[in-house]
Amino acid sequence: DGGITQSPKYLFRKEGQNVTLSCEQNLNHDAMYWYRQDPGQGLRLIYYSQIVNDFQKGDIAEGYSVSREKKESFPLTVTSAQKNPTAFYLCASSNIMLTGVNQPQHFGDGTRLSIL
Amino acid sequence: RKEVEQDPGPFNVPEGATVAFNCTYSNSASQSFFWYRQDCRKEPKLLMSVYSSGNEDGRFTAQLNRASQYISLLIRDSKLSDSATYLCVVPNSGGSNYKLTFGKGTLLTVNP
Repeated sequence: DGGITQSPKYLFRKEGQNVTLSCEQNLNHDAMYWYRQDPGQGLRLIYYSQIVNDFQKGDIAEGYSVSREKKESFPLTVTSAQKNPTAFYLCASSNIMLTGVNQPQHFGDGTRLSIL
Repeated sequence: RKEVEQDPGPFNVPEGATVAFNCTYSNSASQSFFWYRQDCRKEPKLLMSVYSSGNEDGRFTAQLNRASQYISLLIRDSKLSDSATYLCVVPNSGGSNYKLTFGKGTLLTVNP
């Protein structure tokens, strides 16, 4: 089945620890995104990538890092510099159209990160 | 005006009711709009795309008013399973043709 796979589903982080969230897609989408959602809040963009080996900061990039070494993969590292990492993390992907018309984003089923 | 703004609700309606949500947006150049549905503790799922004046899919109708810069979602004959948060999504005004801005959502509860 085509889709986006995020792992793990649940993750616990100790103080001072970096953790990496995995996101893989087999939809052949060019663009990939990471969002953070806090309880009762909307989605906030952390990082996004339009093409392999290129990515841009979103609205709340501090304390996070990403890489895009393959089209299919866009892992997110939550570093120890992120002081309030407890949240629901969502990865998404989308096509990019030459017409310039935005396309919908498709989401993985998310990773819940908590502090130990 | 905010990039995207929704009535947060909550909306509580009985089964079989018709309910409508409105959403306003600021980027007058936007060409495509989306409604997503998000169940509690789940990922958002695409409900409808709107590229022209509107779209209809069964009990769901989305309408676009470009002059007033708002989008609406109408749900007819509400079912218990329609209970969810509905997200209005518009293109990001930053100039890219792939970034989207998500509204904070409108919570709908359909009661028996």
